[in-house]
Formats: sequence, structure tokens, C-alpha cells
Amino acid sequence: GDSVTQMEGPVTLSEEAFLTINCTYTATGYPSLFWYVQYPGEGLQLLLKATKADDKGSNKGFEATYRKETTSFHLEKGSVQVSDSAVYFCALTQRENFNKFYFGSGTKLNVKP
Amino acid sequence: DVKVTQSSRYLVKRTGEKVFLECVQDMDHENMFWYRQDPGLGLRLIYFSYDVKMKEKGDIPEGYSVSREKKERFSLILESASTNQTSMYLCASSNRISRGKASYEQYFGPGTRLTVT
Repeated sequence: GDSVTQMEGPVTLSEEAFLTINCTYTATGYPSLFWYVQYPGEGLQLLLKATKADDKGSNKGFEATYRKETTSFHLEKGSVQVSDSAVYFCALTQRENFNKFYFGSGTKLNVKP
Repeated sequence: DVKVTQSSRYLVKRTGEKVFLECVQDMDHENMFWYRQDPGLGLRLIYFSYDVKMKEKGDIPEGYSVSREKKERFSLILESASTNQTSMYLCASSNRISRGKASYEQYFGPGTRLTVT
């Protein structure tokens, strides 16, 4: 079945460091891919998405490229801020599955000043 | 903006009680979902609904039921609460994937942290 695997955390970085959070997926068809962010005490918010191979999603300085050949959707940011501290979830969905979402286990990011 | 609201942010119930968690969305979405979130396990799908009165089991439906009598409202019911149901419960909604729909990402409510003692 469909699934998402993302790197375990926590990830601890200093402010202005480069961020990469790895995400790989398994899917039988042509999924759409997402990154969600969860700030402490809140629900999940959509960060970015990509709906087909080679698409790049971007938002708030974060980017991720849909790589079908490596079944990956790694999240990157060139210079993290303390305010980026949160839990990040990679996810996929497919039309054939009633738009069910499959989430990774989440990666906690801590950014220190 | 899409808004998904959940009836309570924090809830404390006793073992054996029947518990109702309510979720309401205001964007006329067809799909609604209930997840539980536990440390180290990420989000696990309990039930989802793709239309009024329709429901499908997710990955962990045991001990739960759901009700969707109106399009905007999706209720999660714990028939007899147990301590292993202590968790964060998240509701989400989305458009059904189809041509002409601008987006179909899931929109989440703020969550209900349920403690069963």
C-alpha cells in the first residue's frame, strides 16, 4: 500500500543554518505530495505541495521537488529561523483512495538562536 | 479562509464513559477525516467520510464510531472510553479530487487533547 517515510528527529540547528528533511514515498499510482507543519499546541497547516513529477512546491522560504525517479520529496530551507521550530509532516494522497492522506511520522525541528 | 473547528481543546473523561468529539467545517467540503496523533506514531487515520451518511474505516477504527448527518459536521464517538484512547484527536476536511477543483489538500482543526482516567 501507499506509505511515506521521513527522517526521524529531532533535528537541531542554529539560526541561519541550511535545513533538509528527507521524505520518500511508496505509491502504486501518481500521488500528490505535501508538506505540513505543526506548531506547538496547534493543528497541521499546509506548507507546500506538488501534484506531478518535477513540480517544485515553495512557501515561506521552504522548497521541495517531486522526484519520481527517486520517489522523494525532500524539504529544504536555505536559512532557518527560530520561528521555524515545529514538527514537519510529509504526506501523499491519490484520487483512487478517496483522497485519503498517508502521513509520515513527523520530524521535529528545533532552531536555536 | 477555510475553517475547521473542534468542540473542545481539552477534555478529561473517565474510563467507560461515552465520549463525543465534534468537528465542523465551513467550506462545503465533501471529505472529512478523524485522526489520532501520538508521539512517535505520527497521524493515524481512524475513520473518514466522503459524503453525508457515508463512512469508511481507516487504519485504527476499533473502539470508535462516527456519524455524519450533515455535510459540515463529522462526529467521532468513543463508545466506552479506555485509557489507551488518551491522545490528541485531529479532524480534517478536503474537497474531493476532481476536475475543476482548485485544491484538495486537507485542512485541519486545532485538535482535541483527550485524557481518559
